[in-house]
Amino acid sequence: EDQVTQSPEALRLQEGESSSLNCSYTVSGLRGLFWYRQDPGKGPEFLFTLYSAGEEKEKERLKATLTKKESFLHITAPKPEDSATYLCAVPSNDYKLSFGAGTTVTVRA
Amino acid sequence: DAGVIQSPRHEVTEMGQEVTLRCKPISGHDYLFWYRQTMMRGLELLIYFNNNVPIDDSGMPEDRFSAKMPNASFSTLKIQPSEPRDSAVYFCASTAGPEFNTEAFFGQGTRLTVV
Repeated sequence: EDQVTQSPEALRLQEGESSSLNCSYTVSGLRGLFWYRQDPGKGPEFLFTLYSAGEEKEKERLKATLTKKESFLHITAPKPEDSATYLCAVPSNDYKLSFGAGTTVTVRA
Repeated sequence: DAGVIQSPRHEVTEMGQEVTLRCKPISGHDYLFWYRQTMMRGLELLIYFNNNVPIDDSGMPEDRFSAKMPNASFSTLKIQPSEPRDSAVYFCASTAGPEFNTEAFFGQGTRLTVV
């Protein structure tokens, strides 16, 4: 069964303090790995899709990387508006997305 | 496009009552998904449709749950009878498809409380 594990569960950062979130997965044949951002009271919002080991994608202060067993979401010099829960997900071969439990990031000014 | 629209945003009901959640996907999207989110279990896929046809409902927890998609612009998730353990946030999402790794757009969710 496909599994997605995220760590840490929560991350408290000072503004400007860079850090990384981890998403490890066990799937039979990776068909992409998704990163989503979820703000309180809202639905998840798409950030990135990574397809193959070695791939990297960036958006503002976020950079996602992928290896054969895990993905990292690097937050560089975060700002308070980067506070959110970050979810990763992998699709199975029948269109289902398996989500991790998420990492809740809090950035203090 | 206004995105995926869900209603109501909040629903409080008594145990045993019927609850109907509604979703309007993004126009032109062929796939529609219903998810449930709780602190204990995170985001779980309940059911998804392709071109209005239910494809996989293996995530529906019990026969008390049912979902329909009568046309391309409307879907409902019904719980009858509702129980306190059904309390959660229910999300609807749609994708353009047919690629299974296409970006999914989520609605704002319906927060259901069953007392």
